[in-house]
Amino acid sequence: GQQLNQSPQSMFIQEGEDVSMNCTSSSIFNTWLWYKQDPGEGPVLLIALYKAGELTSNGRLTAQFGITRKDSFLNISASIPSDVGIYFCAGQQGTNAGKSTFGDGTTLTVKP
Amino acid sequence: KAGVTQTPRYLIKTRGQQVTLSCSPISGHRSVSWYQQTPGQGLQFLFEYFSETQRNKGNFPGRFSGRQFSNSRSEMNVSTLELGDSALYLCASSLKNTGELFFGEGSRLTVL
Repeated sequence: GQQLNQSPQSMFIQEGEDVSMNCTSSSIFNTWLWYKQDPGEGPVLLIALYKAGELTSNGRLTAQFGITRKDSFLNISASIPSDVGIYFCAGQQGTNAGKSTFGDGTTLTVKP
Repeated sequence: KAGVTQTPRYLIKTRGQQVTLSCSPISGHRSVSWYQQTPGQGLQFLFEYFSETQRNKGNFPGRFSGRQFSNSRSEMNVSTLELGDSALYLCASSLKNTGELFFGEGSRLTVL
């Protein structure tokens, strides 16, 4: 089946540093999405990307939809302690809203 | 606007029992999806309902079932529980066919 390879698996950074994580797949996706999950909560949508090559920002977050439609990356600039959490990429094929394939997540730890 | 509400938040069952989980989507959202989250397998798609019809189904055994009511509320049922069914079960609703999912806080099921 479809699989998303998300890396790195975990990151330990100092407050103020920039962060980069990515997701790759052998399959083509029409939509790429990035979510963040805090402990005891469900994932929260950060950024959605709909077109190959698209670069989208949301505050300190920037994400890009790879030109081959098989990859995406997420950058976080000037990290702060509340950035701590698990970041998931997700890809969607087709037009059915609810069925997404998720990466295994990147656990981010930010040291003050 | 109220978010996605899942009940119960926590429950403990024993092997062989069955369980029903409930999800109320965001008002106006007609698509409801269910995901299983475990440390080993990550977020796995279970099924999606739209207008009371199952629109997509993941690769789970028939012990996992669901339904959606006319008010878009959804339930999922797991029969003959196994130890491996212990997981966080997440419900997500969606307004558009863009893959943008809004998750509830989840129902954490422990099977003893």
